[in-house]
Amino acid sequence: AQKVTQAQTEISVVEKEDVTLDCVYETRDTTYYLFWYKQPPSGELVFLIRRNSFDEQNEISGRYSWNFQKSTSSFNFTITASQVVDSAVYFCALQGGTGGFKTIFGAGTRLFVKA
Amino acid sequence: TAGITQAPTSQILAAGRSMTLRCTQDMRHNAMYWYRQDLGLGLRLIHYSNTAGTTGKGEVPDGYSVSRANTDDFPLTLASAVPSQTSVYFCASTPTSGGATDEQFFGPGTRLTVL
Repeated sequence: AQKVTQAQTEISVVEKEDVTLDCVYETRDTTYYLFWYKQPPSGELVFLIRRNSFDEQNEISGRYSWNFQKSTSSFNFTITASQVVDSAVYFCALQGGTGGFKTIFGAGTRLFVKA
Repeated sequence: TAGITQAPTSQILAAGRSMTLRCTQDMRHNAMYWYRQDLGLGLRLIHYSNTAGTTGKGEVPDGYSVSRANTDDFPLTLASAVPSQTSVYFCASTPTSGGATDEQFFGPGTRLTVL
């Protein structure tokens, strides 16, 4: 069965600190896709990134970066120089393989960034 | 561009009553989904539809039903609400059917309280 674990329930940092949100997944499939979504206090869910299982290249987008390591089944998300606007719940998700198009979400990590 | 709209925004419902949560998308996406979001559990798939005229069960389908008469609309019905159905409900869509690579587009959510 596929599973996504986000062990950090809540993280609190002070503005300008770097923070890493962990995501560990389980799947027996060789082809799958990993996603991160952001849910700000307003409640909507916003897509951040998609990564396929054959592409282990790390990605950087502004202050956001993602580290995908198949060897440890992890897809961690780092925010550099965090800002108050980064305060949100972040979800890691898994799609593909035996699950097909169905998305398995982690429980989410709530990030508080204090000014 | 509206994307996905959901109605109502929030609702308080007496146990035993029925209710339909509405979801409409204007992106002509083939696949649509209903999730419930509960604290500590992330998002869990209730029902899905790969294309108009077809529906399928997700992870937590009991107590819910859906229909997909056309591409744009995907209503979720609670036939006889129970307090455990208190949750935030999100409707989502993806462009293709069975597309494991697709990111999900989410509606703003409906907050339902069953008393």
